[in-house]
Amino acid sequence: GAGVSQSPSNKVTEKGKDVELRCDPISGHTALYWYRQSLGQGLEFLIYFQGNSAPDKSGLPSDRFSAERTGGSVSTLTIQRTQQEDSAVYLCASSLNKRETQYFGPGTRLLVL
Amino acid sequence: GDSVTQMEGPVTLSEEAFLTINCTYTATGYPSLFWYVQYPGEGLQLLLKATKADDKGSNKGFEATYRKETTSFHLEKGSVQVSDSAVYFCALSGLSSNTGKLIFGQGTTLQVKP
Repeated sequence: GAGVSQSPSNKVTEKGKDVELRCDPISGHTALYWYRQSLGQGLEFLIYFQGNSAPDKSGLPSDRFSAERTGGSVSTLTIQRTQQEDSAVYLCASSLNKRETQYFGPGTRLLVL
Repeated sequence: GDSVTQMEGPVTLSEEAFLTINCTYTATGYPSLFWYVQYPGEGLQLLLKATKADDKGSNKGFEATYRKETTSFHLEKGSVQVSDSAVYFCALSGLSSNTGKLIFGQGTTLQVKP
Protein backbone atom coordinates (compact mmCIF):
# COMPACT_ATOMS: atom_id res chain seq x y z
CA GLY A 1 0.00 0.00 0.00
CA ALA A 2 0.93 3.66 -0.09
CA GLY A 3 3.54 4.86 2.33
CA VAL A 4 3.89 8.16 4.12
CA SER A 5 4.00 11.04 1.67
CA GLN A 6 5.27 14.56 2.21
CA SER A 7 5.09 17.74 0.18
CA PRO A 8 6.81 19.68 -1.10
CA SER A 9 9.95 17.60 -1.49
CA ASN A 10 12.06 20.75 -1.58
CA LYS A 11 11.34 24.29 -0.45
CA VAL A 12 13.52 27.36 -0.78
CA THR A 13 12.35 30.44 1.05
CA GLU A 14 13.63 33.80 2.16
CA LYS A 15 14.35 34.61 5.76
CA GLY A 16 11.26 35.99 7.48
CA LYS A 17 8.72 34.19 5.29
CA ASP A 18 6.26 31.59 6.58
CA VAL A 19 6.28 28.01 5.24
CA GLU A 20 3.86 25.09 5.45
CA LEU A 21 4.94 21.49 5.16
CA ARG A 22 2.45 18.70 4.59
CA CYS A 23 2.37 15.06 5.67
CA ASP A 24 -0.03 12.33 4.53
CA PRO A 25 0.32 9.36 6.89
CA ILE A 26 -0.41 5.74 6.09
CA SER A 27 -4.16 5.13 6.16
CA GLY A 28 -5.31 3.82 9.51
CA HIS A 29 -2.24 4.98 11.43
CA THR A 30 -3.35 6.90 14.50
CA ALA A 31 0.09 8.08 15.61
CA LEU A 32 1.95 10.75 13.66
CA TYR A 33 5.37 12.27 14.37
CA TRP A 34 7.43 15.13 13.00
CA TYR A 35 11.22 15.04 13.23
CA ARG A 36 13.93 17.35 11.97
CA GLN A 37 17.24 16.24 10.49
CA SER A 38 19.96 18.86 10.43
CA LEU A 39 23.73 18.81 10.20
CA GLY A 40 24.30 20.33 13.58
CA GLN A 41 21.59 18.59 15.60
CA GLY A 42 21.13 15.22 13.94
CA LEU A 43 17.63 13.74 14.03
CA GLU A 44 15.40 15.33 16.65
CA PHE A 45 11.77 14.88 17.64
CA LEU A 46 9.46 17.84 17.15
CA ILE A 47 5.82 16.88 17.82
CA TYR A 48 3.54 13.87 18.26
CA PHE A 49 -0.16 13.39 17.49
CA GLN A 50 -2.26 10.46 18.67
CA GLY A 51 -5.84 10.30 17.47
CA ASN A 52 -7.86 13.17 18.90
CA SER A 53 -5.68 13.62 21.98
CA ALA A 54 -3.76 16.80 22.67
CA PRO A 55 -0.42 16.70 20.84
CA ASP A 56 2.93 16.43 22.58
CA LYS A 57 4.70 19.61 21.46
CA SER A 58 7.70 19.21 23.73
CA GLY A 59 10.21 19.03 20.87
CA LEU A 60 9.22 22.22 19.06
CA PRO A 61 12.29 24.52 19.17
CA SER A 62 10.43 27.83 19.39
CA ASP A 63 6.96 29.36 19.26
CA ARG A 64 7.50 30.05 15.56
CA PHE A 65 6.81 26.35 15.00
CA SER A 66 3.30 24.92 15.10
CA ALA A 67 1.52 21.90 13.72
CA GLU A 68 -1.96 20.59 13.33
CA ARG A 69 -3.56 17.37 12.29
CA THR A 70 -6.96 17.62 10.73
CA GLY A 71 -9.48 14.81 10.97
CA GLY A 72 -6.88 12.50 12.46
CA SER A 73 -5.13 12.19 9.10
CA VAL A 74 -3.18 14.86 7.22
CA SER A 75 -0.80 17.03 9.21
CA THR A 76 0.78 20.37 8.44
CA LEU A 77 3.87 21.81 10.11
CA THR A 78 4.05 25.60 9.92
CA ILE A 79 7.17 27.64 10.51
CA GLN A 80 6.59 31.37 10.86
CA ARG A 81 9.21 34.03 10.21
CA THR A 82 11.75 31.47 9.06
CA GLN A 83 15.38 31.81 10.09
CA GLN A 84 18.49 30.37 8.45
CA GLU A 85 18.90 27.90 11.32
CA ASP A 86 15.54 26.37 10.33
CA SER A 87 17.20 24.93 7.22
CA ALA A 88 16.93 21.16 7.56
CA VAL A 89 15.10 18.09 6.31
CA TYR A 90 11.72 17.75 8.00
CA LEU A 91 10.59 14.16 8.34
CA CYS A 92 7.13 12.83 9.06
CA ALA A 93 6.46 9.33 10.40
CA SER A 94 3.31 7.40 11.23
CA SER A 95 2.52 4.21 13.10
CA LEU A 96 -0.53 2.16 14.02
CA ASN A 97 -0.08 3.40 17.56
CA LYS A 98 2.74 4.68 19.74
CA ARG A 99 4.02 1.14 20.43
CA GLU A 100 4.32 0.06 16.80
CA THR A 101 7.00 0.62 14.17
CA GLN A 102 7.23 4.12 12.76
CA TYR A 103 7.28 4.46 8.97
CA PHE A 104 8.98 7.54 7.60
CA GLY A 105 8.18 9.73 4.63
CA PRO A 106 10.85 10.96 2.19
CA GLY A 107 11.09 14.32 3.93
CA THR A 108 10.89 17.97 2.91
CA ARG A 109 14.24 19.67 2.42
CA LEU A 110 13.89 23.29 3.57
CA LEU A 111 16.47 25.92 2.70
CA VAL A 112 16.13 29.38 4.20
CA LEU A 113 18.19 32.00 2.39
CA GLY B 1 17.20 12.18 29.87
CA ASP B 2 17.35 9.30 27.41
CA SER B 3 20.18 9.33 24.87
CA VAL B 4 21.91 7.24 22.22
CA THR B 5 25.58 7.29 21.31
CA GLN B 6 26.94 5.82 18.09
CA MET B 7 30.46 5.33 16.90
CA GLU B 8 31.79 8.12 14.75
CA GLY B 9 31.94 7.66 11.03
CA PRO B 10 32.51 7.46 8.22
CA VAL B 11 33.29 3.76 8.10
CA THR B 12 34.92 2.54 4.90
CA LEU B 13 35.12 -1.20 4.21
CA SER B 14 35.90 -3.46 1.31
CA GLU B 15 33.18 -5.73 -0.02
CA GLU B 16 32.78 -8.95 2.02
CA ALA B 17 34.38 -7.40 5.11
CA PHE B 18 32.86 -7.78 8.58
CA LEU B 19 30.91 -4.81 9.88
CA THR B 20 30.36 -3.60 13.43
CA ILE B 21 28.75 -0.27 14.28
CA ASN B 22 28.71 0.39 18.01
CA CYS B 23 25.67 1.82 19.76
CA THR B 24 25.16 2.44 23.47
CA TYR B 25 22.22 4.03 25.20
CA THR B 26 21.10 5.68 28.42
CA ALA B 27 17.48 5.20 29.41
CA THR B 28 15.14 4.42 32.25
CA GLY B 29 13.98 0.84 32.42
CA TYR B 30 13.85 -1.26 29.28
CA PRO B 31 13.43 0.83 26.14
CA SER B 32 12.81 -0.60 22.69
CA LEU B 33 15.86 -0.38 20.45
CA PHE B 34 16.04 0.13 16.70
CA TRP B 35 18.41 0.41 13.78
CA TYR B 36 17.21 2.57 10.91
CA VAL B 37 18.99 2.91 7.56
CA GLN B 38 18.97 5.79 5.08
CA TYR B 39 20.13 4.85 1.59
CA PRO B 40 21.33 7.68 -0.68
CA GLY B 41 18.39 9.76 -1.84
CA GLU B 42 15.86 7.72 0.12
CA GLY B 43 13.92 8.04 3.37
CA LEU B 44 14.58 6.35 6.69
CA GLN B 45 13.74 2.67 6.78
CA LEU B 46 13.54 0.36 9.76
CA LEU B 47 16.32 -2.22 9.50
CA LEU B 48 15.71 -4.20 12.69
CA LYS B 49 14.49 -3.84 16.25
CA ALA B 50 14.49 -5.50 19.66
CA THR B 51 12.03 -4.82 22.44
CA LYS B 52 13.48 -6.62 25.45
CA ALA B 53 16.79 -7.66 26.92
CA ASP B 54 18.67 -10.46 25.12
CA ASP B 55 16.41 -10.19 22.07
CA LYS B 56 18.23 -10.34 18.74
CA GLY B 57 16.89 -8.35 15.83
CA SER B 58 17.89 -9.43 12.33
CA ASN B 59 17.18 -8.45 8.74
CA LYS B 60 19.04 -8.57 5.40
CA GLY B 61 22.03 -10.26 7.04
CA PHE B 62 22.32 -7.59 9.74
CA GLU B 63 21.99 -8.48 13.42
CA ALA B 64 21.93 -6.64 16.73
CA THR B 65 21.47 -8.01 20.25
CA TYR B 66 19.87 -6.03 23.08
CA ARG B 67 22.42 -6.12 25.91
CA LYS B 68 21.01 -4.71 29.11
CA GLU B 69 24.19 -5.29 31.13
CA THR B 70 26.27 -3.15 28.77
CA THR B 71 23.38 -0.92 27.58
CA SER B 72 24.39 -1.67 24.01
CA PHE B 73 22.81 -2.60 20.68
CA HIS B 74 25.72 -3.01 18.28
CA LEU B 75 24.95 -3.62 14.60
CA GLU B 76 26.86 -6.42 12.84
CA LYS B 77 27.00 -7.99 9.41
CA GLY B 78 29.30 -10.81 8.42
CA SER B 79 29.90 -9.80 4.80
CA VAL B 80 28.98 -6.33 3.55
CA GLN B 81 28.08 -5.48 -0.03
CA VAL B 82 28.42 -2.27 -2.01
CA SER B 83 24.62 -1.93 -1.79
CA ASP B 84 24.90 -1.64 2.01
CA SER B 85 26.47 1.81 1.63
CA ALA B 86 24.17 4.10 3.58
CA VAL B 87 23.78 6.03 6.82
CA TYR B 88 22.82 3.89 9.82
CA PHE B 89 20.97 5.31 12.84
CA CYS B 90 20.59 3.65 16.21
CA ALA B 91 17.48 4.75 18.10
CA LEU B 92 15.46 4.06 21.21
CA SER B 93 11.87 4.50 22.29
CA GLY B 94 11.89 4.90 26.03
CA LEU B 95 9.58 4.64 28.98
CA SER B 96 10.29 8.22 30.09
CA SER B 97 8.07 9.39 27.24
CA ASN B 98 4.44 8.37 26.80
CA THR B 99 4.57 9.07 23.08
CA GLY B 100 6.78 6.40 21.55
CA LYS B 101 8.99 9.13 20.13
CA LEU B 102 12.34 7.96 18.84
CA ILE B 103 15.62 9.29 20.16
CA PHE B 104 18.36 8.87 17.58
CA GLY B 105 22.10 8.61 17.62
CA GLN B 106 24.09 10.87 15.34
CA GLY B 107 24.24 8.34 12.50
CA THR B 108 27.17 6.43 11.03
CA THR B 109 27.98 6.63 7.35
CA LEU B 110 29.09 3.34 5.83
CA GLN B 111 30.86 3.22 2.48
CA VAL B 112 31.58 -0.18 0.98
CA LYS B 113 34.10 -0.31 -1.87
CA PRO B 114 34.18 -3.08 -4.48
